[in-house]
Amino acid sequence: ELKVEQNPLFLSMQEGKNYTIYCNYSTTSDRLYWYRQDPGKSLESLFVLLSNGAVKQEGRLMASLDTKARLSTLHITAAVHDLSATYFCAVDKTPGNTPLVFGKGTRLSVIA
Amino acid sequence: NAGVTQTPKFQVLKTGQSMTLQCAQDMNHEYMSWYRQDPGMGLRLIHYSVGAGITDQGEVPNGYNVSRSTTEDFPLRLLSAAPSQTSVYFCASGSGAKRVEKLFFGSGTQLSVL
Repeated sequence: ELKVEQNPLFLSMQEGKNYTIYCNYSTTSDRLYWYRQDPGKSLESLFVLLSNGAVKQEGRLMASLDTKARLSTLHITAAVHDLSATYFCAVDKTPGNTPLVFGKGTRLSVIA
Repeated sequence: NAGVTQTPKFQVLKTGQSMTLQCAQDMNHEYMSWYRQDPGMGLRLIHYSVGAGITDQGEVPNGYNVSRSTTEDFPLRLLSAAPSQTSVYFCASGSGAKRVEKLFFGSGTQLSVL
């Protein structure tokens, strides 16, 4: 059974600090997805990492993928309050095929 | 730009009632899916479809039916609602059937079963 595990599940950060969210998965998938959900809202796509070693960055968020370790990281640099949200990683249910299986999410709270 | 439209946004049902959650997309996406979101559980896949006339089960299909008669619509039917089906339901679609690069989510339906 496919497992997608995120840690931590809850994260409280001070503004200006750096931190990393980890996503481990149990299949041989060659791509990984990150989504963001604001409280009470829907999900929006952040990154799609398409191959081993892929790195993508947008603003204060940077995501990377190590398919050999079956690990993706979402690094937050100099956190600001606007980054407060829940972040989900997801992988293909079976390698090379949608649908996606999601992790439980990391609820990030950035405080002053 | 409508994107993925879900209706209703909120619904309260009594145990044993049936209802249909509607999902429509105007992006000509082949792939559509339904997820439920419960506290501490993340998103769990209920059913999905890779094109009109083709549906398949996800992780938690029991108590739900789907059909895909058109590319645009993918309704989710609760046959006999149970309190365990209290949840937030999201419909999502994406281009491509075998593998989509990005899912577009609807705004969600908050369902309470009493």
